[in-house]
Amino acid sequence: GDSVTQMEGPVTLSEEAFLTINCTYTATGYPSLFWYVQYPGEGLQLLLKATKADDKGSNKGFEATYRKETTSFHLEKGSVQVSDSAVYFCALPASGAGSYQLTFGKGTKLSVIP
Amino acid sequence: SAVISQKPSRDICQRGTSLTIQCQVDSQVTMMFWYRQQPGQSLTLIATANQGSEATYESGFVIDKFPISRPNLTFSTLTVSNMSPEDSSIYLCSVDDRGRNEQFFGPGTRLTVL
Repeated sequence: GDSVTQMEGPVTLSEEAFLTINCTYTATGYPSLFWYVQYPGEGLQLLLKATKADDKGSNKGFEATYRKETTSFHLEKGSVQVSDSAVYFCALPASGAGSYQLTFGKGTKLSVIP
Repeated sequence: SAVISQKPSRDICQRGTSLTIQCQVDSQVTMMFWYRQQPGQSLTLIATANQGSEATYESGFVIDKFPISRPNLTFSTLTVSNMSPEDSSIYLCSVDDRGRNEQFFGPGTRLTVL
C-alpha cells in the first residue's frame, strides 16, 4: 500500500541554519502530498501541500517540491528560527476508492537552538 | 478552513474507567476521522465516522474499545473504554475538506492513564 518514509530525527540546528527534512513516498498514481507541523503541546497544522508533480508548496519560509522522478517531497527552509522547533510530518492520502484518511510518516523532531 | 475544537484538552484517568472525547466542527462535514498518537510516535487512524452510518474501524481497533458516535454533521465523540496505561496517548479528530483537498485537525486530547 501507499507509504511515506521520513528522515529520522531528532534534528538539532542553530538559529539561521539551513534545514532539510527528507521525505519519500510510495503510491499508486500521483497523490497530493502534505507537510504537517505539530508545535509542542498542540495538534497538527497543515504547513504546505502540493497537488501534482513539479508543484512547489510554500508557507512561512518553508518549501517542498513534488518530484515524481525521485518520488520525493523534501521540506526545506533557508534560515530556521527558534520558533520553528516542532515535529514535522510528511503525509499523503491513503489509497483506495473513497479513502480520504492520511498516511503519515513517523515524524521528525526539530530543535532550533539560539 | 474548518475550525475544530476538542474537549477535554487533557485528562488523567484511572485504569478501568472510560473517557468520552468530544469533537466539534464549525461547519457541516461529511467525514470525520479519529487518530491516536502514542508518545513520541506518528499518528494512527482509529476510525472514520460518517453521519448516519456506523463508524469504520482500522485494523487493530474495535468498536467495543473505541465506540464512536456521529449524531450530526458537526459533532462526534470517541470513547476510550476500560482504559489501561497503554491507552495513554493524544487523540485527535480531523475533518476532510474535499473542496480544498486538505484535512484539518483539532488540537487533540492528551490522555494519561494511571
